[in-house]
Amino acid sequence: DAGVIQSPRHEVTEMGQEVTLRCKPISGHDYLFWYRQTMMRGLELLIYFNNNVPIDDSGMPEDRFSAKMPNASFSTLKIQPSEPRDSAVYFCASRKLAGGYNEQFFGPGTRLTVL
Amino acid sequence: QKEVEQDPGPLSVPEGAIVSLNCTYSNSAFQYFMWYRQYSRKGPELLMYTYSSGNKEDGRFTAQVDKSSKYISLFIRDSQPSDSATYLCAMSAGGSQGNLIFGKGTKLSVKP
Repeated sequence: DAGVIQSPRHEVTEMGQEVTLRCKPISGHDYLFWYRQTMMRGLELLIYFNNNVPIDDSGMPEDRFSAKMPNASFSTLKIQPSEPRDSAVYFCASRKLAGGYNEQFFGPGTRLTVL
Repeated sequence: QKEVEQDPGPLSVPEGAIVSLNCTYSNSAFQYFMWYRQYSRKGPELLMYTYSSGNKEDGRFTAQVDKSSKYISLFIRDSQPSDSATYLCAMSAGGSQGNLIFGKGTKLSVKP
């Protein structure tokens, strides 16, 4: 299996521009997670989906952030308009429902810089 | 108080040293405890997983959970330069709940 795939790996944009991050989870996984990682705040959960349905979006910082999962093999995280404080590494992770064990498999991340 | 507290370090040790990494937590519902390792510019990868209290050993790594104290530890014996990474603790209540709660991570450097 190729693992979780994220694109782009790096994104540099200017304040006010729309940014779209993409994720392909591991085939057969039921859950998909979007995280943001910064030095100051560590790894923060933004939103997660179960069977393509958003379950908890309480971590989404504000209305500028939105996420979709139109099918089991694709998800997007969109920031519109972007701001410099959105600069971070964004990770996508997926897991398969298997009792209580909760291993999440992470993608390589998208490093976002907003100028 | 955050649900999970972890000293961010950085921690620098000589090769061959024993390393102790720790996290405390406040939610007594947590049942599953994990340690993830994250190399520079990579995504976190699961290193160790423990259910409830007790110890678990895997090669040079030992994970300990003390639920009465709400305290978990990861020990690395005979540390190697290849162990240099950020170590994140993570925990969950398990079951159908999907999400993990992560510590901020401790950056470890093992010097040759």
